[in-house]
Amino acid sequence: EDQVTQSPEALRLQEGESSSLNCSYTVSGLRGLFWYRQDPGKGPEFLFTLYSAGEEKEKERLKATLTKKESFLHITAPKPEDSATYLCAVLGGSNYKLTFGKGTLLTVNP
Amino acid sequence: DGGITQSPKYLFRKEGQNVTLSCEQNLNHDAMYWYRQDPGQGLRLIYYSQIVNDFQKGDIAEGYSVSREKKESFPLTVTSAQKNPTAFYLCASSIVGEKLFFGSGTQLSVL
Repeated sequence: EDQVTQSPEALRLQEGESSSLNCSYTVSGLRGLFWYRQDPGKGPEFLFTLYSAGEEKEKERLKATLTKKESFLHITAPKPEDSATYLCAVLGGSNYKLTFGKGTLLTVNP
Repeated sequence: DGGITQSPKYLFRKEGQNVTLSCEQNLNHDAMYWYRQDPGQGLRLIYYSQIVNDFQKGDIAEGYSVSREKKESFPLTVTSAQKNPTAFYLCASSIVGEKLFFGSGTQLSVL
């Protein structure tokens, strides 16, 4: 069974203080690893898809990387508007359904 | 605008009552999904459908039912058999095997 573990559960940063979120996974045949951002009371918003180890993608202050066992979401010089829950999910095997982690709640203080 | 529409945004259920959550998409996606989200928890899959007139149980299907009579629509019924229905419900759609697009969610509470 596919499993996704995200750490830390919560992270509090000062504005401008860079850090990373971790997503560890076990999956039978990775078809894709997905990062989403979720604001309170709203649906998740897609950020990135990574398909193979060594792949990296960037969007503004966010950069996602992938190894064979984990993915990192690096946040450079965060701003208060980056505060949200960040969700990681994997798509594996042949059943075409995503397995999500519990998320990391990021708070960026001004 | 293309997207996924969930309604209502807030829903209240009385004990013993069945309630239905609506989900409509105009993205022409074959696959649709229902997830449940509890505070501090990840998204848990209730049901999914990869084609019209076919659907599969997810990890927590007990107490729920769905139908997929049209490509655009995937309603979820929370039955009286679901004893702990209070949660945030999310509908999503996708091209099979690709990223999910989510609706804005329905918050279900018990009166």
